[in-house]
Amino acid sequence: DAGITQSPRHKVTETGTPVTLRCHQTENHRYMYWYRQDPGHGLRLIHYSYGVKDTDKGEVSDGYSVSRSKTEDFLLTLESATSSQTSVYFCASTSGRELLTDTQYFGPGTRLTVL
Amino acid sequence: DQQVKQNSPSLSVQEGRISILNCDYTNSMFDYFLWYKKYPAEGPTFLISISSIKDKNEDGRFTVFLNKSAKHLSLHIVPSQPGDSAVYFCAASKSNAGKSTFGDGTTLTVKP
Repeated sequence: DAGITQSPRHKVTETGTPVTLRCHQTENHRYMYWYRQDPGHGLRLIHYSYGVKDTDKGEVSDGYSVSRSKTEDFLLTLESATSSQTSVYFCASTSGRELLTDTQYFGPGTRLTVL
Repeated sequence: DQQVKQNSPSLSVQEGRISILNCDYTNSMFDYFLWYKKYPAEGPTFLISISSIKDKNEDGRFTVFLNKSAKHLSLHIVPSQPGDSAVYFCAASKSNAGKSTFGDGTTLTVKP
């Protein structure tokens, strides 16, 4: 298994506050992803990165920004958290050597509650 | 417009019997398909995959079938075990896209 961790694992915050979630991987994987999982919606891609400083939007990117200054770290920021962003957030990574067949390795998730 | 659909939110089977989980997709450009398994409070883990040039891939108790003309794939688990109880996500990818599209998941419960 790829060494991929997320911090914090749980967070409760208030509407309007900024929140940053961190994903860290030790596999030197080129690609990293942020998903949210909500009941009835499965895993939805927020943003992804295909290299240091190279990022792109996913299907539910509004209200989120990301940064990747190092290969091993991918940060997800909610500039002003809203209750609709209460969710479980998963980070994933893949080597990118074979884009078609590379499976993604997921972190354990961060449960975020916005009050 | 959801491109990957798992129309059964849940499935319950008896231990030892076959579990069949289904997945439909709409985008004909998808050429690689994966199944992930997720236990509560954990991240998803890769289970099995299939390329569009094949119609079947088998790994132990798990077999994935792909019907390209119907844009349908299925995951068969035989025999089902209580430890297989989890949420199963179907995912689809396009060549060199660098990302996958996931279905909503099916919760499988295997009863002893």
